Amino acid sequence: KNEVEQSPQNLTAQEGEFITINCSYSVGISALHWLQQHPGGGIVSLFMLSSGKKKHGRLIATINIQEKHSSLHITASHPRDSAVYICAVYGNQFYFGTGTSLTVIP
Amino acid sequence: NAGVTQTPKFQVLKTGQSMTLQCAQDMNHNSMYWYRQDPGMGLRLIYYSASEGTTDKGEVPNGYNVSRLNKREFSLRLESAAPSQTSVYFCASSEGLAGNNEQFFGPGTRLTVL
Repeated sequence: KNEVEQSPQNLTAQEGEFITINCSYSVGISALHWLQQHPGGGIVSLFMLSSGKKKHGRLIATINIQEKHSSLHITASHPRDSAVYICAVYGNQFYFGTGTSLTVIP
Repeated sequence: NAGVTQTPKFQVLKTGQSMTLQCAQDMNHNSMYWYRQDPGMGLRLIYYSASEGTTDKGEVPNGYNVSRLNKREFSLRLESAAPSQTSVYFCASSEGLAGNNEQFFGPGTRLTVL
């Protein structure tokens, strides 16, 4: 049973496209995190949110607590955005999605 | 300011051997974590330390032990390595328990058990 489901699993886009990655979860949470894992393996935190919407540069994250759903949007995608994007939710513990592998082609 | 550091970066063990993975953070964080990452699966929490002097089991603690040596350092020990422990191990830290605090991850240790 997966508490966190991400879609799509794999995504290929042309440079400049608008990208959406979805995350659905089945547990009650206090926070949701979006992480980025670079091709070299390093993991960085992009967003932490418990309601509404956050924006950092070309990245936008939204969450709908009632629908237990979050989206990560990338505007004007660039090849350097190629990475695995991981959704993680925190209820009484952390649950991680398996990630969405994004490739942006020049 | 190095953030979270892990040693070693790579390790190959034979079944039954023991080893300790080291992790240190220089951000004065209270909480530290050990995760494993396997192909097709999300990160899974092995152990965590909410604060100096405390450790607690995560989702997959069997076959591992941890030590929170001081506020900076959190080590993970495999007493008798098994092939099922072949994985990439990540250490992370956060100011408080990570639900509502950003986590900072180390670069990972790729472990192969033959």
